[in-house]
Amino acid sequence: GQQVQQSPASLVLQEGENAELQCNFSTSLNSMQWFYQRPGGSLVSLFYNPSGTKHSGRLTSTTVIKERRSSLHISSSQTTDSGTYLCALEHNAGAKLTFGGGTRLTVRP
Amino acid sequence: AQTIHQWPVAEIKAVGSPLSLGCTIKGKSSPNLYWYWQATGGTLQQLFYSITVGQVESVVQLNLSASRPKDDQFILSTEKLLLSHSGFYLCAWSSGGTNTGQLYFGEGSKLTVL
Repeated sequence: GQQVQQSPASLVLQEGENAELQCNFSTSLNSMQWFYQRPGGSLVSLFYNPSGTKHSGRLTSTTVIKERRSSLHISSSQTTDSGTYLCALEHNAGAKLTFGGGTRLTVRP
Repeated sequence: AQTIHQWPVAEIKAVGSPLSLGCTIKGKSSPNLYWYWQATGGTLQQLFYSITVGQVESVVQLNLSASRPKDDQFILSTEKLLLSHSGFYLCAWSSGGTNTGQLYFGEGSKLTVL
C-alpha cells in the first residue's frame, strides 16, 4: 500500500478561512517535508520538519512521529494560497523521499 | 546566491528517440543533486540522487539513467524513449550529506512523448 497518504485530496475555502492538511505515513521516517507546487509544476519547500511544530508566517507544520502523522495548517487563507500541497517522507536510510498524492487547495475570494 | 537552471523547458519527442535533460547549480559547492518525475495527474517520484561527482544512486527504475559529470551538473538521459516517460521532470539540490535536507528546485522540464 501507499506509504504516504494525504487528505483531503482537494479542499475549497473562502478567503479568510483556515485549512488543515493531513499527511499520514505507514513506515518509519527520518523527517517529513512539506512543499507547495506552483501551477507550472515547480516546487517550493515550505517546511523541513523532523518532528514537533514549526511556524512560518501563516503556516504551521506539526509532525508527530510516534503517531505517524504530519499536518500543515494554513491560517487566514488567501487566494494566492491556491495550489497543490505535497508532503514527503524521508526514509531512515539514504537521501530518498516518498511523496504523498497532494492536496489541491482552492481559495475563493 | 545559489541558482538552479534546468533545460530544456519543454520537449516533444518521438517514441524510441533519445533524451537528455540537464540541470546546473551555481553558487553551491558539492551539493546533493536529485531528479524527480511526475506523470500528468500522478504522484511525484524520486528517480535518482547524487551525493558526489561520478556517483549516482537509482531510486526508481524507469529505463532512464543519470550522470553527474561535474560537481554542478546533473544529466538525465535515455537512448530510447517510451510513451510512459511523458511527464514533468524536476531537478533539485540540497546542502549535502547523507540526508536530503531542505530542497531547492529548478523550474522543471515538461516532456511529451508521442
